[in-house]
Amino acid sequence: DVQLVESGGGLVQPGGSLRLSCEASGFTLSRYSMNWVRQTPGKGLEWVSYISSRSSARYYADSVKGRFTISRDNAKNSLYLQMNSLRAEDTAVFYCVRERGGEEDFWSGYAFDSWGQGALVIVSS
Amino acid sequence: DIQMTQSPSSLSASVGDRVIITCQASQDIGNYLSWYQQKPGQGPKLLIYDASNLETGVPSRFSGSGSGTHFTFTITNLQPEDFATYYCQHYNNLPYTFGQGTELEI
Repeated sequence: DVQLVESGGGLVQPGGSLRLSCEASGFTLSRYSMNWVRQTPGKGLEWVSYISSRSSARYYADSVKGRFTISRDNAKNSLYLQMNSLRAEDTAVFYCVRERGGEEDFWSGYAFDSWGQGALVIVSS
Repeated sequence: DIQMTQSPSSLSASVGDRVIITCQASQDIGNYLSWYQQKPGQGPKLLIYDASNLETGVPSRFSGSGSGTHFTFTITNLQPEDFATYYCQHYNNLPYTFGQGTELEI
């Protein structure tokens, strides 16, 4: 079975940093493009960042560009999101998400066929 | 950015009913549209991809149609486990965007 398990969430002060990890199992990570998506009660579901299968392409939402960095280690079956200069409006549940394809290592959009259970990030003093 | 306008925002229905949710894109997205179901405390689950293709393992009472800017999602013969929140999403280009969600209540 495909599984995505996020970790690294928690409470952080404004301006602080946090690194989310996502451990993938049940499939070959290097064959898929991956994303981070966040969800808040007020703004709903918001796409955060994309990374192609072998990291050649990385894209970010304008709201996090310059502050967040997506990365992956296919040998370790892991996806990461480094979040710096955190703001109160970054408070959300963050999901690690697999696309239905993406072996080609450049952007080519696919539906999101697997989601993790989510990691809660709270930015507050 | 492409805006996805989903309606209605909430819907009351009964077991056995048929319900229809619509999603309008602010520009042509071809058939690059998916539908998800989310239950409390869980991540969304893919039901429909490429506007009308049923994901493996999803019951056939779920269906989708449309292309371009107007899309519909239908559940026939509602079951108790179908009461949840549903979202549309486009993947025509980046940034991916989602509809606001439709909460389906008993």
